[in-house]
Amino acid sequence: AQSVTQLGSHVSVSEGALVLLRCNYSSSVPPYLFWYVQYPNQGLQLLLKYTSAATLVKGINGFEAEFKKSETSFHLTKPSAHMSDAAEYFCAVNSGNTPLVFGKGTRLSVIA
Amino acid sequence: GAVVSQHPSWVICKSGTSVKIECRSLDFQATTMFWYRQFPKQSLMLMATSNEGSKATYEQGVEKDKFLINHASLTLSTLTVTSAHPEDSSFYICSADGSGGASYNEQFFGPGTRLTVL
Repeated sequence: AQSVTQLGSHVSVSEGALVLLRCNYSSSVPPYLFWYVQYPNQGLQLLLKYTSAATLVKGINGFEAEFKKSETSFHLTKPSAHMSDAAEYFCAVNSGNTPLVFGKGTRLSVIA
Repeated sequence: GAVVSQHPSWVICKSGTSVKIECRSLDFQATTMFWYRQFPKQSLMLMATSNEGSKATYEQGVEKDKFLINHASLTLSTLTVTSAHPEDSSFYICSADGSGGASYNEQFFGPGTRLTVL
């Protein structure tokens, strides 16, 4: 079985500060990993995904994530937070041909 | 490209009535669509996988007679919540596989439908 743990249900950063959202996964097979963003009352938008190619994955809106097998982690980062980044972020895992398993989400607040 | 729409975006209904939610892929064909349920401040839980022209595959614990899924065309899947009760109130999100096949990795999500059952 696969699972995802997102550390911190709520993260608050100042505008312009580094954003770090943590995601650890558990998988008995090589994982595919995803980060999605959800704005209020909207569906999910894919930020980036890791599918066994480069371990450092760059996504949209300046976000990137690094797959670290030794740490079973796939943390999401952005060098400088914008007010528009305030949203709910979900990490998800699958094995490539199985349903996505989502974490519980991390709400990002950006303080002016 | 790869836009998925849902209708309605929100619905309020009385207990005991049935509600139909539509999920459409607007600019691509989707052999496979997925239905999720999301409770407030919680993650998405997959309810069922909808395959065009065949019966949906339901996840464990999801009542198939209560949540009827129809995927009659390559661009439309519907979820009908039958005899809705207040505990069915939730945010329902669909996604469509944009790979042209049956891939879980190329899902495009709709904006969701908020159902409130009084």
